[in-house]
Amino acid sequence: GAVVSQHPSRVICKSGTSVKIECRSLDFQATTMFWYRQFPKQSLMLMATSNEGSKATYEQGVEKDKFLINHASLTLSTLTVTSAHPEDSSFYICSARDLEDVAYEQYFGPGTRLTVT
Amino acid sequence: AQSVTQPDIHITVSEGASLELRCNYSYGATPYLFWYVQSPGQGLQLLLKYFSGDTLVQGIKGFEAEFKRSQSSFNLRKPSVHWSDAAEYFCAVFTFSGGYNKLIFGAGTRLAVHP
Repeated sequence: GAVVSQHPSRVICKSGTSVKIECRSLDFQATTMFWYRQFPKQSLMLMATSNEGSKATYEQGVEKDKFLINHASLTLSTLTVTSAHPEDSSFYICSARDLEDVAYEQYFGPGTRLTVT
Repeated sequence: AQSVTQPDIHITVSEGASLELRCNYSYGATPYLFWYVQSPGQGLQLLLKYFSGDTLVQGIKGFEAEFKRSQSSFNLRKPSVHWSDAAEYFCAVFTFSGGYNKLIFGAGTRLAVHP
């Protein structure tokens, strides 16, 4: 089956620094990748939709200058949290759609736990 | 607007008992519906999906779901729950809006299983 990986799985950073999270589709090509944020015991909130070779589409209320998304290839999208603050601490999950899949299924990564101190 | 409602935030069942998790959706067209399961600290795993055809859908791990258009529901069922089924379950609807496709998730139902 389609596999999506995320790196790192867990990261701790100091307030004011930037953190980059990678999302890779390992055995398929993904024209579209999605970035979600999940607070403890809550549902997934879509942050942005990332299309290969074009600018990401951000959901309302998500700061595009704070959460930089780059989708440079058909297998890699990155999310950079810039000037991180403790309120950015969260569980970030990416997903990807297979280029050849007409079933509209998204394959989810294992998530990245970000803690800002 | 499109939305997904999971009325039960937390459900506890005994191992071996049957399970039904409720999901109601609001969507103008024929919905594409999904059930995902999330174990603690993990990503989401697809249990099953409905696009069209037979309204009773079989999934992995012994789960099934029934699409009922008249009730705008897509409830998840399992005849006999195992302790390993304890997890968070999310219902989702796939939406097409303004050229963008995205999943809208319900709030989730946390399942606890008593031995």
